[in-house]
Amino acid sequence: DAMVIQNPRYQVTQFGKPVTLSCSQTLNHNVMYWYQQKSSQAPKLLFHYYDKDFNNEADTPDNFQSRRPNTSFCFLDIRSPGLGDAAMYLCATSTYRDRGTDTQYFGPGTRLTVL
Amino acid sequence: AQKITQTQPGMFVQEKEAVTLDCTYDTSDPSYGLFWYKQPSSGEMIFLIYQGSYDQQNATEGRYSLNFQKARKSANLVISASQLGDSAMYFCAMREGAGGFKTIFGAGTRLFVKA
Repeated sequence: DAMVIQNPRYQVTQFGKPVTLSCSQTLNHNVMYWYQQKSSQAPKLLFHYYDKDFNNEADTPDNFQSRRPNTSFCFLDIRSPGLGDAAMYLCATSTYRDRGTDTQYFGPGTRLTVL
Repeated sequence: AQKITQTQPGMFVQEKEAVTLDCTYDTSDPSYGLFWYKQPSSGEMIFLIYQGSYDQQNATEGRYSLNFQKARKSANLVISASQLGDSAMYFCAMREGAGGFKTIFGAGTRLFVKA
């Protein structure tokens, strides 16, 4: 089955130690997203890639970076995690035709703990 | 201004009964898509159902149906014959045709199914 895969499912890191989360998809979607979701809150969009075009949300901290080496893979890099970065990180994908109403499909998420 | 409103922070339903989760939205874009996602305690965001603004009929997917009332700007999710596995957080979301890649999420409704 076509799907969105995230690794690892659980990640523990130390304060200030860089960490990379990965996402891959077999849906061949041209848009990939990264969301941060804190407990009991709605997901918050960090950035997205439309093909190779990177789009950062205005309020995404510089501490968060992303790479998309090819259509299938996308990475979230947190350069110096702080305690406030502990959250669930969700990767999602969608197509994009002439309008942006296409369905987003999410991966299972990576739960990040910062010690 | 909040564009997606879910007024029920928590809901209880008896197993095998139907339940309606409320969602109202606000947009001036004539083209938009409305979505419902289920998020169990494991964290994965599971796509349930989609309603396009130009769709003439209410969307249905198995036990899920969307009661779409365009004039009232409401998109309530109806779950028929509730099961214990339906206990989860439910998010209503919207994507506007001219809104690019942004998905607007409601605050969510936590559903508890009682045996």
